[in-house]
Amino acid sequence: KAGVTQTPRYLIKTRGQQVTLSCSPISGHRSVSWYQQTPGQGLQFLFEYFSETQRNKGNFPGRFSGRQFSNSRSEMNVSTLELGDSALYLCASSSSGTGTGDEQYFGPGTRLTVT
Amino acid sequence: QKEVEQNSGPLSVPEGAIASLNCTYSDRVSQSFFWYRQYSGKSPELIMSIYSNGDKEDGRFTAQLNKASQYVSLLIRDSQPSDSATYLCAAKRRGYQKVTFGTGTKLQVIP
Repeated sequence: KAGVTQTPRYLIKTRGQQVTLSCSPISGHRSVSWYQQTPGQGLQFLFEYFSETQRNKGNFPGRFSGRQFSNSRSEMNVSTLELGDSALYLCASSSSGTGTGDEQYFGPGTRLTVT
Repeated sequence: QKEVEQNSGPLSVPEGAIASLNCTYSDRVSQSFFWYRQYSGKSPELIMSIYSNGDKEDGRFTAQLNKASQYVSLLIRDSQPSDSATYLCAAKRRGYQKVTFGTGTKLQVIP
């Protein structure tokens, strides 16, 4: 089975621009979660989607948004980029997200640098 | 208080020794616990999950869970230099989709 894929792998953007990141989950997985990872803050939860619906959202400003398509692929968007948005953005997929044995598997991540 | 706490390390152990990584959690409703390994510049890789009190063994890895003490640990036997990485502990509530991660413990295995 193919793993979680994320595109692009690396991105350099300028302050004020916007960016869209893409994630394709493991085949059959319907839950997709997004995380931001920085050296100082560790892994911070952004949001989670299941069946095209956002079920939970972390404590991030409204500049961070996402969506999920009917094939479970997900995108996240960051508008009006700030220097502090520079981070590794990770996508993780799981079967349903709520089961006891429902483990999350991470993609390789997108390294975003804002200059 | 952080929901999932880990000592940031680094934890240094000689090659062949047992590495013991510890984690505490504050949410008593947490039911599922996970250990991820993350090499520098890479994404987290799931190595163990545990749901019931007691020990769970997988090769050189043993996860231990004590819900009464709200404590999770990971033992790595016969540590190898290739085990040098950051180990992330994570917890999830029953019926809830959000997984909360600790900040990780950096393990260094000295040859």
